[in-house]
Amino acid sequence: GAVVSQHPSRVICKSGTSVKIECRSLDFQATTMFWYRQFPKQSLMLMATSNEGSKATYEQGVEKDKFLINHASLTLSTLTVTSAHPEDSSFYICSARGGGNSYEQYFGPGTRLTVT
Amino acid sequence: AQSVTQLDSHVSVSEGTPVLLRCNYSSSYSPSLFWYVQHPNKGLQLLLKYTSAATLVKGINGFEAEFKKSETSFHLTKPSAHMSDAAEYFCVVIRNTGGFKTIFGAGTRLFVKA
Repeated sequence: GAVVSQHPSRVICKSGTSVKIECRSLDFQATTMFWYRQFPKQSLMLMATSNEGSKATYEQGVEKDKFLINHASLTLSTLTVTSAHPEDSSFYICSARGGGNSYEQYFGPGTRLTVT
Repeated sequence: AQSVTQLDSHVSVSEGTPVLLRCNYSSSYSPSLFWYVQHPNKGLQLLLKYTSAATLVKGINGFEAEFKKSETSFHLTKPSAHMSDAAEYFCVVIRNTGGFKTIFGAGTRLFVKA
């Protein structure tokens, strides 16, 4: 099946700094990528949907100036957490789909962000 | 509107016994239904999917699920649990009409006792 990678797998940063997380589709072109946040023992919460070459669509309650999403190519989307704070600590997961009538999403392995 | 309800937040079974993880959905459209498994600190792995073909769907690792339209259910089963099956399981509905939308269930934690 299709493979989606995320980098880094875990990151620790100091409060006030910015962190960039990359999501790559390794063997297919992802017209749409999704960014999720997962709190401990909870389901995934969709943060935003990004389409290649256009602005991301953010879910209600997600600050677009804090969580910057760039989908510059068909194989790469990035999520930048700006001026991170301890409450931003979470597990971030991306997924990608190839578009058209395909129903499948392929999920990345996740990135554990810890803000100290 | 679409929704997904996983009826059990956690299920505990003994190794070698059957597994049943329950999922009910509601959908205004013909749904595409998926089961994903997530091991700790890992991403989601697709177990199986239903997309309006055969109602009994076989997946990886011996799991299968049956789509029952009359009961609006898509329960996940496995005849014999293995220790490695201990994980979080998510039932997911995907709609691709009028916009692509993914709806996750709350998840069911499966514990497998030796």
